[in-house]
Amino acid sequence: SAVISQKPSRDICQRGTSLTIQCQVDSQVTMMFWYRQQPGQSLTLIATANQGSEATYESGFVIDKFPISRPNLTFSTLTVSNMSPEDSSIYLCSVEEGEGSGTHNEQFFGPGTRLTVL
Amino acid sequence: GESVGLHLPTLSVQEGDNSIINCAYSNSASDYFIWYKQESGKGPQFIIDIRSNMDKRQGQRVTVLLNKTVKHLSLQIAATQPGDSAVYFCAGLYSSASKIIFGSGTRLSIRP
Repeated sequence: SAVISQKPSRDICQRGTSLTIQCQVDSQVTMMFWYRQQPGQSLTLIATANQGSEATYESGFVIDKFPISRPNLTFSTLTVSNMSPEDSSIYLCSVEEGEGSGTHNEQFFGPGTRLTVL
Repeated sequence: GESVGLHLPTLSVQEGDNSIINCAYSNSASDYFIWYKQESGKGPQFIIDIRSNMDKRQGQRVTVLLNKTVKHLSLQIAATQPGDSAVYFCAGLYSSASKIIFGSGTRLSIRP
């Protein structure tokens, strides 16, 4: 299974600033995903990032607020721009890889980046 | 709209007993349903999945049941252990888009 690391693991930021979160995978993957998990909540998909194409954003998420880069098959970044306290969440990347349970490609998740905006 | 939700936000179980975590969904377009386990400070970890045309699937100490008539999904954990303490999410997978929609989560705590 893919091993995923994220940097930073956590950060405390001031309102109005931006933070770029990095996601590194130990193998080449086509599809990478960024999720947000607000405190005590479930995961919400922000966007799908495929190498060589622009990210596809879910309803309620826009590129100006969450620009994403996908320069190669092992790396992606998510920027949270012009942050407000409402952006305080855990941000997770995930990748789709290979034959999971034999029924579909399995998704593996990184450990997440815990962001607090003051 | 699409939603996958859970009946119970918390569940406390005696160690050694069986745990049953329930989930209801509203959109029948999922190709698969998946259960994830999320321990504190970690990302979700795949436990087991079930294709939408199946009723039951068993894994090691876990069983997933799918009732499409009432749009209900459950995860059964046999002989619950302290290491099972976590938040459990059900999710629906739309395989054509590789999109996973998560439910709201149930926290499972184990009493010694």
